[in-house]
Amino acid sequence: DVKVTQSSRYLVKRTGEKVFLECVQDMDHENMFWYRQDPGLGLRLIYFSYDVKMKEKGDIPEGYSVSREKKERFSLILESASTNQTSMYLCASSLEGRGLYEQYFGPGTRLTVT
Amino acid sequence: AQSVTQLDSQVPVFEEAPVELRCNYSSSVSVYLFWYVQYPNQGLQLLLKYLSGSTLVKGINGFEAEFNKSQTSFHLRKPSVHISDTAEYFCAVSDRIYKYIFGTGTRLKVLA
Repeated sequence: DVKVTQSSRYLVKRTGEKVFLECVQDMDHENMFWYRQDPGLGLRLIYFSYDVKMKEKGDIPEGYSVSREKKERFSLILESASTNQTSMYLCASSLEGRGLYEQYFGPGTRLTVT
Repeated sequence: AQSVTQLDSQVPVFEEAPVELRCNYSSSVSVYLFWYVQYPNQGLQLLLKYLSGSTLVKGINGFEAEFNKSQTSFHLRKPSVHISDTAEYFCAVSDRIYKYIFGTGTRLKVLA
């Protein structure tokens, strides 16, 4: 079974803090993704990585950065957290295959910025 | 560019009744199609997918979906729902490069 784990289920941070969200997958998947999920907006792609040290911006990258130093780990960084970044953050991974393969999701991190 | 529309944000249905959750997509190229389910406080998990071949796709938990190319639809159906099917359902398309585009989700509430 593929397992995608996220470092925290719930996180509360203050405005201006630097926030790290960690994601680890154990199935040697090439692709990893970070989404944010907001009511009525579905899932929106923040960043995508197709290989170690490689990354691509998604639809809403502003205010975020990512790091992928090892194949199994993909980190999302909020450089200076703001209240409009309060959301559910979902990490996912998939095999490389030009969209042929489904994504496997972690349980999510619910981030509140106060 | 691709897009996915799930017109129904919420669908209430009585237990043991049939249900259909609608999904329409737009794309200028062929796509792969997916349905995911999200139970409360969990991540998404795959219900079923359409890649090619038979337009009727069967998934887990008794769900099935039909791909209709002319109507650009991929509606999800179940002939008889259970309380445990209460969840949020997402339709998604893959652009066959790397990107997956998700709909805004449909909350299915099964009533006793």
